[in-house]
Amino acid sequence: DSGVTQTPKHLITATGQRVTLRCSPRSGDLSVYWYQQSLDQGLQFLIQYYNGEERAKGNILERFSAQQFPDLHSELNLSSLELGDSALYFCASSVDPGTGFGYTFGSGTRLTVV
Amino acid sequence: GEDVEQSLFLSVREGDSSVINCTYTDSSSTYLYWYKQEPGAGLQLLTYIFSNMDMKQDQRLTVLLNKKDKHLSLRIADTQTGDSAIYFCAESLNYGGATNKLIFGTGTLLAVQP
Repeated sequence: DSGVTQTPKHLITATGQRVTLRCSPRSGDLSVYWYQQSLDQGLQFLIQYYNGEERAKGNILERFSAQQFPDLHSELNLSSLELGDSALYFCASSVDPGTGFGYTFGSGTRLTVV
Repeated sequence: GEDVEQSLFLSVREGDSSVINCTYTDSSSTYLYWYKQEPGAGLQLLTYIFSNMDMKQDQRLTVLLNKKDKHLSLRIADTQTGDSAIYFCAESLNYGGATNKLIFGTGTLLAVQP
């Protein structure tokens, strides 16, 4: 157990729908990151939050949004889903986002859009 | 750019050494990481190296860093069939304050023949 908890592990939904992925960071980590892993794009950075504030943005679609709550858990919302959104979504937290040290990844949520 | 390059495939015999190579882009990266991903599984941190180091050894794993050429390698001694997986290198990019992200390479599939 890495200490980063992601739910659900698997999600199957239809095109056009909206889903929410949840992540609880390792105890004590203030920073949360979301990544998407797909066959054609590889592992892509989506977004970083630090203590509730958005800090860095990657190749995140406008249909996707995220937030980090006061208890530090984070949610990634994916809307108007398309077949191409099917992927493995990872959450990570880090000990020291100032230096980039101590990334720990959750086991991921596998999203299948049908 | 933020491209991290890796060769796609490596095949070795059990008991041999494996060397997986990676070329990264940002000379200001603080930490560089190696992750292992088995089929259908999450990202397992194997090892990391701080940018002011040239080499790090951890049991069967040896990481070499050439900052001048922006080249990172992972050597696995006495490779076992259980080492068969995809290996990702990643560089940590800092943007000041608590803003940071990991950029992943394309991944190298290591196949170990018995």
